[in-house]
Amino acid sequence: AQKVTQAQTEISVVEKEDVTLDCVYETRDTTYYLFWYKQPPSGELVFLIRRNSFDEQNEISGRYSWNFQKSTSSFNFTITASQVVDSAVYFCALRSAGNKLTFGGGTRVLVKP
Amino acid sequence: EADIYQTPRYLVIGTGKKITLECSQTMGHDKMYWYQQDPGMELHLIHYSYGVNSTEKGDLSSESTVSRIRTEHFPLTLESARPSHTSQYLCASSEQPGSPSTDTQYFGPGTRLTVL
Repeated sequence: AQKVTQAQTEISVVEKEDVTLDCVYETRDTTYYLFWYKQPPSGELVFLIRRNSFDEQNEISGRYSWNFQKSTSSFNFTITASQVVDSAVYFCALRSAGNKLTFGGGTRVLVKP
Repeated sequence: EADIYQTPRYLVIGTGKKITLECSQTMGHDKMYWYQQDPGMELHLIHYSYGVNSTEKGDLSSESTVSRIRTEHFPLTLESARPSHTSQYLCASSEQPGSPSTDTQYFGPGTRLTVL
């Protein structure tokens, strides 16, 4: 069985602060994919990144960066110099055999001006 | 990135009514999914389809039904809406380029359903 845990339910920061969202996953498969999605107040889920289990390189995209550590089964997400527009719910997700996506419970990020 | 559409965006309806939530995608994706999202944020897969005439129930039991007569269209129907069906419903689609674990799911804007 697969499981994704996002221990932080809500994080509140002041604009320009960095914020790191934790994601811990469980799977018995050796091949799997990890994802992060953003859900702004408008409701749609926006795809941010996909990482496969064989690629442990960290990735940076603008103010976003991701730290994948297979040894600790974690795939953490950092927003650098947060902005009010970053306020949203962020979901970590895992997909391995069977093609179904398992989501974490989500972390609500509130960036105050 | 997929173009995926859902209508209506918001629906308020009385108990006992039959409703259909529409989902369409224009990318020719084989796989489509319906998720139900609680007010507390958690997402639950309720239906999925791997192609025309293929539909399966997801992890969360749902009284809704789906059909997949055309690749681009995956409507969800509730025969008799109840207040317990009040939720956000998100549709997604994905393409399998060859490996069973590489496709990314792209989501529509969601339908926020309120049953009075």
